[in-house]
Amino acid sequence: AQSVTQPDIHITVSEGASLELRCNYSYGATPYLFWYVQSPGQGLQLLLKYFSGDTLVQGIKGFEAEFKRSQSSFNLRKPSVHWSDAAEYFCAVGLKTSYDKVIFGPGTSLSVIP
Amino acid sequence: DGGITQSPKYLFRKEGQNVTLSCEQNLNHDAMYWYRQDPGQGLRLIYYSQIVNDFQKGDIAEGYSVSREKKESFPLTVTSAQKNPTAFYLCASSISPSTDTQYFGPGTRLTVL
Repeated sequence: AQSVTQPDIHITVSEGASLELRCNYSYGATPYLFWYVQSPGQGLQLLLKYFSGDTLVQGIKGFEAEFKRSQSSFNLRKPSVHWSDAAEYFCAVGLKTSYDKVIFGPGTSLSVIP
Repeated sequence: DGGITQSPKYLFRKEGQNVTLSCEQNLNHDAMYWYRQDPGQGLRLIYYSQIVNDFQKGDIAEGYSVSREKKESFPLTVTSAQKNPTAFYLCASSISPSTDTQYFGPGTRLTVL
């Protein structure tokens, strides 16, 4: 069955430090890939997406993600974290199955220490 | 401004009562979705609609119902048959079904008393 895993439930980093959030998926073909961010009590906002082409994708707020087909991964990175980046981050996979569907990972909660 | 609105932001209901959550979008999107979010479980799809007057069950449709009479509106009814309805509910829309970027509303937090 198709699945999306985010191995880290919670991550704490210091402001100014680099960040990498992991995402792995299980699917037979190359899916569409998304990263969303959610502030407490709010809806989700798209950070970036990968459909095809260059495997390094740039997004909003200084985030980037790299698709690695061999590892079935789509990890999110940011070189220098700001306190306002504290939020919940969701990886999502768009699948072309018998009906189109997007599967969301369980999320990674990011805390930022001043 | 274009976007998705959900109302109310907070909703309380007594056990045994049906309640309807509103979702409206002015993005001219064909597809709309309802998700349920529980702590540590990510988002789970309740229902989705690819076009007006059509909708399909998602992974956890039991105890919920929807309608799509207008392109802009996709209300969700939480019925008394839903055994554990307390959760955060998110509505989303996309230009085309499913694999396109989804735009989310601010959510409704439902609490059953």
